[in-house]
Amino acid sequence: AIRMTQSPSSLSASTGDRVTITCRASQGISSYLAWYQQKPGKAPKLLIYAASTLQSGVPSRFSGSGSGTDFTLTISCLQSEDFATYYCQQYYSYPPWTFGQGTKVEIK
Amino acid sequence: QVQLVESGGGVVQPGGSLRLSCAASGFTFSSYGMHWVRQAPGKGLEWVAFIRYDGSNKYYADSVKGRFTISRDNSKNTLYLQMNSLRAEDTAVYYCAKDRRQWPEDFDYWGQGTLVTVSS
Repeated sequence: AIRMTQSPSSLSASTGDRVTITCRASQGISSYLAWYQQKPGKAPKLLIYAASTLQSGVPSRFSGSGSGTDFTLTISCLQSEDFATYYCQQYYSYPPWTFGQGTKVEIK
Repeated sequence: QVQLVESGGGVVQPGGSLRLSCAASGFTFSSYGMHWVRQAPGKGLEWVAFIRYDGSNKYYADSVKGRFTISRDNSKNTLYLQMNSLRAEDTAVYYCAKDRRQWPEDFDYWGQGTLVTVSS
């Protein structure tokens, strides 16, 4: 199974900050990567697929980049509603579909 | 609008069984693959099972293979997860999720989840 590793596991940031989360795959996955946002007690929400394509309705302050083994999710100007946990997921080789361990974005 | 509503969670003893359901609406259910994904308390997301749009292909995580069975009834727009021989480590919120495209890749809609607690 392909292992997905996110860094950092958590971070503290302020509203208006630029935030970057990294996801690394244990082997090359081309651009078959998605990012999800999850708020406490809620279901995950798809933000980005194909590494850099914004899902419909997702604000443009979210962006994704990368291919192969290294990927990033960037929030250009953090808003209060962005404090959440973010997960990457690969769909290059399945089963299983695998997720990163998550990155919690907290208020500084 | 797309809606996925899970039900069937609860408290069950180790070794027991439970069947989860996921009622779908707002899209052509019979055209999309569906997944179950779980999240243990305070932990990350773990993919559990997948079923193709027509039920012809099914995949399972190694952790549940031989104990869980995914199925669907396209006439009722409902997805199921039959869970047998439950263990404490199966305790989690179980989400159903829809494939964004008509082949399995990423998941564009998720239900609100149903909590399964395995405890004596």
